[in-house]
Amino acid sequence: EDQVTQSPEALRLQEGESSSLNCSYTVSGLRGLFWYRQDPGKGPEFLFTLYSAGEEKEKERLKATLTKKESFLHITAPKPEDSATYLCAALNDYKLSFGAGTTVTVRA
Amino acid sequence: DTGVSQDPRHKITKRGQNVTFRCDPISEHNRLYWYRQTLGQGPEFLTYFQNEAQLEKSRLLSDRFSAERPKGSFSTLEIQRTEQGDSAMYLCASSLAEVRIYGYTFGSGTRLTVV
Repeated sequence: EDQVTQSPEALRLQEGESSSLNCSYTVSGLRGLFWYRQDPGKGPEFLFTLYSAGEEKEKERLKATLTKKESFLHITAPKPEDSATYLCAALNDYKLSFGAGTTVTVRA
Repeated sequence: DTGVSQDPRHKITKRGQNVTFRCDPISEHNRLYWYRQTLGQGPEFLTYFQNEAQLEKSRLLSDRFSAERPKGSFSTLEIQRTEQGDSAMYLCASSLAEVRIYGYTFGSGTRLTVV
């Protein structure tokens, strides 16, 4: 069965304090690794898709990387508006399987 | 097109009542998905439609749950005889066939509270 595990569950950062989130996956026939951002009371919002080991993608203060077993989301010099839950999901054919997410809180 | 719309945004119901949620996907998306999310967890897959055909149902979807997508447009998710354990956020998402490239677009969800 496909499994996606995220760590840590929660991360409290000071504004400007860079950190990384981890997503490990066990998926047969992985077709893509997705990162979403979710704000309280809202649906997930697409951030990145990674397709092959070694690939990296960047968006503002976020950078996602992929290895054969894990993906990392690096947050560089975060701001309070980066506070959210970050979800990782693995695509197998047509279905996304999600991890439980990492809730990031950035204090000013 | 303003994205995936879900209605209602919030629903409070008494245990044992039936509820129905509606999802309007992005018009050109032929794939539609329902997920359920409880507090502190990621979304869990419930069911998937390609056009009007329901192609997969999760084991999470008991006999009390039914989903339809008539004419391959909007979709409804009905829960009969609601239980307190049904309290969750129900998320609808849609996608093009090239999920690998474009991923899903999610709606804002319907939060169900069973009292």
